[in-house]
This record gives sequence, structure tokens and C-alpha cells, in this order.
Amino acid sequence: AQSVTQPDIHITVSEGASLELRCNYSYGATPYLFWYVQSPGQGLQLLLKYFSGDTLVQGIKGFEAEFKRSQSSFNLRKPSVHWSDAAEYFCAVGMDSNYQLIWGAGTKLIIKP
Amino acid sequence: EAQVTQNPRYLITVTGKKLTVTCSQNMNHEYMSWYRQDPGLGLRQIYYSMNVEVTDKGDVPEGYKVSRKEKRNFPLILESPSPNQTSLYFCASTPLGSGNTEAFFGQGTRLTVV
Repeated sequence: AQSVTQPDIHITVSEGASLELRCNYSYGATPYLFWYVQSPGQGLQLLLKYFSGDTLVQGIKGFEAEFKRSQSSFNLRKPSVHWSDAAEYFCAVGMDSNYQLIWGAGTKLIIKP
Repeated sequence: EAQVTQNPRYLITVTGKKLTVTCSQNMNHEYMSWYRQDPGLGLRQIYYSMNVEVTDKGDVPEGYKVSRKEKRNFPLILESPSPNQTSLYFCASTPLGSGNTEAFFGQGTRLTVV
């Protein structure tokens, strides 16, 4: 069955430090991969997506993610975090067969001053 | 402005009292879906609709109903809410097309059933 794993429930980083959020997926076909961010009390905003082509994708707010087929991973990175990046981040796999999104449990990012 | 609109944003109700959460999108998307979000579980799909009059169950459909009489609207109906349906609900719409499964989300509805 398709699944998405975000192994870190919480991550704490200092403002200005680099960030990497992990995402692993299980899906038989070529996946459509997404990262969404949810700020406190807000809806879900798309950060970036991978459908095909270049495996390093750039998103909004200075985020990027790299698709590694051999590792079934799609990790999210940012070279220098800002306090406004504090939020919950969700990785999702899209299934072309019925357009359903399978979601990870989310990683809550905490920024230390 | 392209958007998905859910109402209400917050709702407190009592067990057994029927309620409807509305969802409307102005992007002419064929596909619409409802998710519930619970801590530690991410989002789980309740129902989806590929087009008008076409709906199907997602992963957690029990206790919910939907309808799709018009392309833009996809209401979520709880006929007899129970406390285990206390959750944060999101409506989403997606344009159908090869490889494009990007979903656009509403702001969410926080439902409390007491």
C-alpha cells in the first residue's frame, strides 16, 4: 500500500541555521511529490512539487527539495531558516490513478531565537 | 481570486445534530475532495468527486456523506455527528489532467462535537 513517512515529529533549529526535513514514500509507480506548509491556524500552502524532470526542485520562500528515486525520498531543505518558517510541514504523494494525495504525519518546525 | 471557500471556519455542535460544511471553488476544477486532519495522522481522505454526480469513498468515509450537484460545490454532511468526528476538515479542488495532482485547499473547518 502507498504510504508516506516523515520520521521527525518535531525539529528545532536556530534562526539562520540550515534545515532538512525528511520524507520517504512507498509507491509502485513514478510518484508525484509535494511539500505543503501549514502555519498555525491556517490552511495548507503548496511549497513545491515534483512531477518529472530535474530532481532538484525549487519552491517558494527559499525552499528546495530533492527527489532520490533510489532512496524513495523527497527531502525538503532550506539553507537559512527565519522565525517565520515556524510551522508544520507535510509531505504528500499524489496518485495519478485517482488523484488522491497520501500524506505524511507532518513535522513541526520550531525556530530558536 | 482563485480560491476554495469553506464555511463555517469553526463549529461546535452536539452529538447527533445533523450538520453541513460547505465548500465552493471558483477554478472550474473537476476533482474535489474532503480530508480530515488529526494530530499525528496527517490528512486522511474522506470522500472525493471526479465530476458532477460522481462521488466515491476515500480512506475514512464512515459517518460522512457528500454530494456534487454542481461543479463548484461539494458539501460535507454529518448526519449524526459523534465526538470521534471532532477534527480539522479541509476541502480541496484539483484540476484533472495528465500528471497534475496539485490540490488547492480551503482554510479549514474546525469541528468540535460534544
